[in-house]
Amino acid sequence: AQSVSQHNHHVILSEAASLELGCNYSYGGTVNLFWYVQYPGQHLQLLLKYFSGDPLVKGIKGFEAEFIKSKFSFNLRKPSVQWSDTAEYFCAATNFGNEKLTFGTGTRLTIIP
Amino acid sequence: GAGVSQTPSNKVTEKGKYVELRCDPISGHTALYWYRQSLGQGPEFLIYFQGTGAADDSGLPNDRFFAVRPEGSVSTLKIQRTERGDSAVYLCASSLNREETQYFGPGTRLLVL
Repeated sequence: AQSVSQHNHHVILSEAASLELGCNYSYGGTVNLFWYVQYPGQHLQLLLKYFSGDPLVKGIKGFEAEFIKSKFSFNLRKPSVQWSDTAEYFCAATNFGNEKLTFGTGTRLTIIP
Repeated sequence: GAGVSQTPSNKVTEKGKYVELRCDPISGHTALYWYRQSLGQGPEFLIYFQGTGAADDSGLPNDRFFAVRPEGSVSTLKIQRTERGDSAVYLCASSLNREETQYFGPGTRLLVL
């Protein structure tokens, strides 16, 4: 069965620290990968996505993610976090031709000023 | 521009009652999705519409759940004989067409007492 795993449930960092959130997927065929973010009191927003091409994708607010096919991973990174990055982050995937998103359980990120 | 809107934002009902949740997608978006998010979990797919027809309803948990999109725009998720386990945030998303980025609404928080 298709699945997405996020092993970090809650991450606490100080401002200016570097961030890496893990995401692994279990999918057959061509996979599309996404990171969504949910800021406190707001709805889910797309941070970045990978469909094909360059495996290093850049998103909004300085975030990037790298698709490593051999590791079935799509980790999210940011070199220097800010207090405003406090949010819940969800990794998600679809198959080409299968539109429904499968989400991970999410990682709650808390940035300490 | 206007995003995906959902009404009501909160709904409290009693076990056994019938509820309807409404989703207004972004204008011009042909694809519409319903997801359900339980506490501490990522969103789970319920149903996907392409135009007026349900292209994939494999995520509906049982026959108490039903959704319609009669004119290819607004959609209503209907839950009959609600149970306490139905309590969750129900999310709607829309995309320009299939395989495009999904944009999420703020959700309807349903509480079944």
